[in-house]
Amino acid sequence: QVQLVQSGAEVKKPGASVKVSCKASGYTFISYDISWVRQAPGQGLEWMGWISVHNGNTKYPQKLQGRVTMTTDASTNTAYMELRSLRSDDTAVYYCAREVTDCSSTRCQNARFDYWGQGTLVTVSS
Amino acid sequence: QSVLTQPPSASGTPGQRVTISCSGSSSNIGSNYVYWYQQLQGTAPKLLIYKNDQRPSGVPDRFSGSKSATSASLAISGLRSEDEADYYCAAWDDSLSGPVFGGGTKLTVL
Repeated sequence: QVQLVQSGAEVKKPGASVKVSCKASGYTFISYDISWVRQAPGQGLEWMGWISVHNGNTKYPQKLQGRVTMTTDASTNTAYMELRSLRSDDTAVYYCAREVTDCSSTRCQNARFDYWGQGTLVTVSS
Repeated sequence: QSVLTQPPSASGTPGQRVTISCSGSSSNIGSNYVYWYQQLQGTAPKLLIYKNDQRPSGVPDRFSGSKSATSASLAISGLRSEDEADYYCAAWDDSLSGPVFGGGTKLTVL
């Protein structure tokens, strides 16, 4: 069965960096892209970006550009998300999710996340 | 402020039918598919509806989705206590070139 298993909770000081891992199993890793989504305490879901596992291409929302880097290691079926210059408002649960591309007759889009990791709590506090 | 707009809360009694709305614009719902996710307390989101009205394997047919112009709805019929959860709509946004989510609707089963 498809599983995404994430690394454990982290506590970081403001200005530090955090790197969260997401190990995939149960499917062919390079056949699906990975997105990262975060959820601040009591808040909704926020898309953090996407990585093509096949070729390493990435896309990040403007809000996070320059602070986030997503990578993958196909030898271990693992995706990584690194967030730098942490601030208190980065405190959140971070999820990795497997992405499925849906295409109509005119376009393709990526908002179907069919499997999710269990989440990693990152706490930023001095 | 979320790009897609959902009511913060909804409620119903067991057996009832409830609907949750999701409002967007021409750059997201108006021109792209809508997805719905269910998040039980303390767990990761789960895909409930994809491509407006399709259910993944294992999702009961009590859950249904629809879309019209720049709005979408999730309907849950035969409400059960285990349906108590947060529900999020999502869609690709052409202006942002990424997926956007609604703020979530907390469903309470009375």
